[in-house]
Amino acid sequence: DVKVTQSSRYLVKRTGEKVFLECVQDMDHENMFWYRQDPGLGLRLIYFSYDVKMKEKGDIPEGYSVSREKKERFSLILESASTNQTSMYLCASSLRLDSTDTQYFGPGTRLTVL
Amino acid sequence: GQNIDQPTEMTATEGAIVQINCTYQTSGFNGLFWYQQHAGEAPTFLSYNVLDGLEEKGRFSSFLSRSKGYSYLLLKELQMKDSASYLCAVVDSNYQLIWGAGTKLIIKP
Repeated sequence: DVKVTQSSRYLVKRTGEKVFLECVQDMDHENMFWYRQDPGLGLRLIYFSYDVKMKEKGDIPEGYSVSREKKERFSLILESASTNQTSMYLCASSLRLDSTDTQYFGPGTRLTVL
Repeated sequence: GQNIDQPTEMTATEGAIVQINCTYQTSGFNGLFWYQQHAGEAPTFLSYNVLDGLEEKGRFSSFLSRSKGYSYLLLKELQMKDSASYLCAVVDSNYQLIWGAGTKLIIKP
């Protein structure tokens, strides 16, 4: 069965801290994605990666960076957390980069920045 | 701009039928997804439509009309476990995935 896991379900950090969100998939998928989900808004793509060490900016990359050193792991980094980055962060993976392919999501990390 | 509209919230009764609508205005169209997301959980795939018409999967059906920029998700014989948010997402001409804000469905006994 397909599985995407995220390192934390809940995280509380202070303004200015560096934050790491980890995502691991066990499906040997090429493509991985980071989204944020806020009330009243659709999912917004932050970054995606189509191969190890490859990354592409999504719609809202400002304030974030990513790392993909291994195929199964995709990390989202908040270099200096700010209160407007309080959100639910969802990781996803897909076999094909083609957006018509099904994405498999992790359970999400709810990040609060104080 | 690109836009996807879904009702914010709907309420239905256990055992009944409910239709969740999604209308879209996007630059081109390469398919439409429906995902289900229970509170605090991961979105999970329900359906993908690229051609007009109705596709049925058990209690859930999804309909698409490309000429009208419209889709709906039909849930029959509602169960309490169907209480969830339902997300509509459209693949545009650049193969970008555009997400709606989701419809929260509340099922009452």
